[in-house]
Amino acid sequence: AQSVTQLGSHVSVSEGALVLLRCNYSSSVPPYLFWYVQYPNQGLQLLLKYTTGATLVKGINGFEAEFKKSETSFHLTKPSAHMSDAAEYFCAVSVKNDMRFGAGTRLTVKP
Amino acid sequence: EAGVVQSPRYKIIEKKQPVAFWCNPISGHNTLYWYLQNLGQGPELLIRYENEEAVDDSQLPKDRFSAERLKGVDSTLKIQPAELGDSAVYLCASSSGEVVTDTQYFGPGTRLTVL
Repeated sequence: AQSVTQLGSHVSVSEGALVLLRCNYSSSVPPYLFWYVQYPNQGLQLLLKYTTGATLVKGINGFEAEFKKSETSFHLTKPSAHMSDAAEYFCAVSVKNDMRFGAGTRLTVKP
Repeated sequence: EAGVVQSPRYKIIEKKQPVAFWCNPISGHNTLYWYLQNLGQGPELLIRYENEEAVDDSQLPKDRFSAERLKGVDSTLKIQPAELGDSAVYLCASSSGEVVTDTQYFGPGTRLTVL
């Protein structure tokens, strides 16, 4: 079955710095890939998704991710971190409606 | 448009007691999911419904967990009896289900504490 590995359970950046959250996937068929964000005591909110076509995907709140098949990666980036970006981020891979989530990366933004 | 609604938001019970969670998906969404999220982990699928049919319940512990979606709209997830290890957040999500790339929309979850 497909799976996701998120490298780094905690990432800390300064406000205004680059955000890079790493995600690698495993799938025997072309996957659909997702990034979700979860704020405390809330459900998951979709940031962006890759299905087919352009490998650079832009999402909400200035986030983007690039699908790299050769590296089986789907890293999430944002050029300049904002305090409001502090949250838990989940990468997910879906095959035939079977979605598997990574363990999550907690992003801390320092002033 | 109202999002996915879940109730209660929090529940504290003693072990061996029964508990039930309720979910109302976004209007018109045919596919409904129940996920379990343990602390510090990502959500894990318990059961997926397409209309009133459970199409994937392979990860549902059927000895103590049950779920229903009788009219293909709202759904109830039940645990009887609850165990200490069931303490977690139970998330409900829905999607239109028209294509496999449809976005899943999540509710806020029910945080269960079993004492």
